[in-house]
Amino acid sequence: QQQVKQSPQSLIVQKGGISIINCAYENTAFDYFPWYQQFPGKGPALLIAIRPDVSEKKEGRFTISFNKSAKQFSLHIMDSQPGDSATYFCAASKGWGKFQFGAGTQVVVTP
Amino acid sequence: GAVVSQHPSWVICKSGTSVKIECRSLDFQATTMFWYRQFPKQSLMLMATSNEGSKATYEQGVEKDKFLINHASLTLSTLTVTSAHPEDSSFYICSTYRGGVSEQFFGPGTRLTVL
Repeated sequence: QQQVKQSPQSLIVQKGGISIINCAYENTAFDYFPWYQQFPGKGPALLIAIRPDVSEKKEGRFTISFNKSAKQFSLHIMDSQPGDSATYFCAASKGWGKFQFGAGTQVVVTP
Repeated sequence: GAVVSQHPSWVICKSGTSVKIECRSLDFQATTMFWYRQFPKQSLMLMATSNEGSKATYEQGVEKDKFLINHASLTLSTLTVTSAHPEDSSFYICSTYRGGVSEQFFGPGTRLTVL
């Protein structure tokens, strides 16, 4: 049973545009929701993370929106750049426990 | 800078041989390490949780006798793929928590190709 569902599977956005990736979770015990960025042949790197006591968190061009009642969270990449072309994974965990990862979204930013 | 290292970064081996992958935490002690496997264009799948000084906990469907995990020190965990077969070819990634933060730090990964 997939505990974290991620969409879309892939998206293409023009340079300067906004990339939006959505995730939904089942387990209400989850209390940590990170987004990871992964380039081909590399390990994932933390991009931004949020806890359920806040509805939005912004770091530079990256924003997480969190809807606790809907059990959904999303990543917005503003002013997308070609260097943002990568695969993005959402995840969820409870405390210091293991992560449940989404399926991933391949983002391609065209010049 | 990097907080978790892996060695080797890539390895090619013949079918039937065993391969050891090392995961090291840099400048901090890691009592728990996680091992993931990632097939091309797929998500990370947790294989096992490794705890220093005790037996690893394997996820359902992961053969513990095939994927041997040893976490003998607070900075080193090893994954040994025994009697490797072509279907074991994958990208293996370790991760751990650094004390006081809930962020998981991932290693750079090891690309295993079994011929």
